[in-house]
Amino acid sequence: KAGVTQTPRYLIKTRGQQVTLSCSPISGHRSVSWYQQTPGQGLQFLFEYFSETQRNKGNFPGRFSGRQFSNSRSEMNVSTLELGDSALYLCASRPPRDPAVPTSGPQETQYFGPGTRLLVL
Amino acid sequence: AQTVTQSQPEMSVQEAETVTLSCTYDTSENNYYLFWYKQPPSRQMILVIRQEAYKQQNATENRFSVNFQKAAKSFSLKISDSQLGDTAMYFCAFMKPNNNDMRFGAGTRLTVKP
Repeated sequence: KAGVTQTPRYLIKTRGQQVTLSCSPISGHRSVSWYQQTPGQGLQFLFEYFSETQRNKGNFPGRFSGRQFSNSRSEMNVSTLELGDSALYLCASRPPRDPAVPTSGPQETQYFGPGTRLLVL
Repeated sequence: AQTVTQSQPEMSVQEAETVTLSCTYDTSENNYYLFWYKQPPSRQMILVIRQEAYKQQNATENRFSVNFQKAAKSFSLKISDSQLGDTAMYFCAFMKPNNNDMRFGAGTRLTVKP
């Protein structure tokens, strides 16, 4: 199976612009999560989407938003970019749950894409 | 809130030797999952090993094994027969079931020297 893919891999924007990042999960995975990685704050959870619905959200301002399509592909958007938004944005997908197994390690494991490096000037 | 602490910002080891990376976490949950991820210079986060808190047996994956001490809330990673390709940042992570909000430690930069 192909892994999680993210596009674009690199992006340069200026303050005040907006940006849209894309993530395609592993085939069959329906849950997609986004993380921001910076040297100062480390890895921080942005939000999770499942079946086109946001299920969980981290502590980020409303300028950060996302959506998921019926094919499980997800996009995240950052509006009114600030210098502090410069980061590596990672997307991760998780296998579908087996209704017969309430929770298990393999079902709870997230697999990451290569990331999109965003530089805001 | 769950927090994950990695107290070793940097470590180095000679090729073929063994190294242990430390991780502690804080939670009031009884059921959860712990992970070690590796992030080489390419920046791709790669799963190294996973431990379910309800399992007493320590997880192993080839040269990688963990020492999971639930009462002490400790989750260390042992890398045996270190290889040059093991050079990377290693992140310890915590996650509650049915919740994708994974909490990461600050990372340990491991360098394997020839």
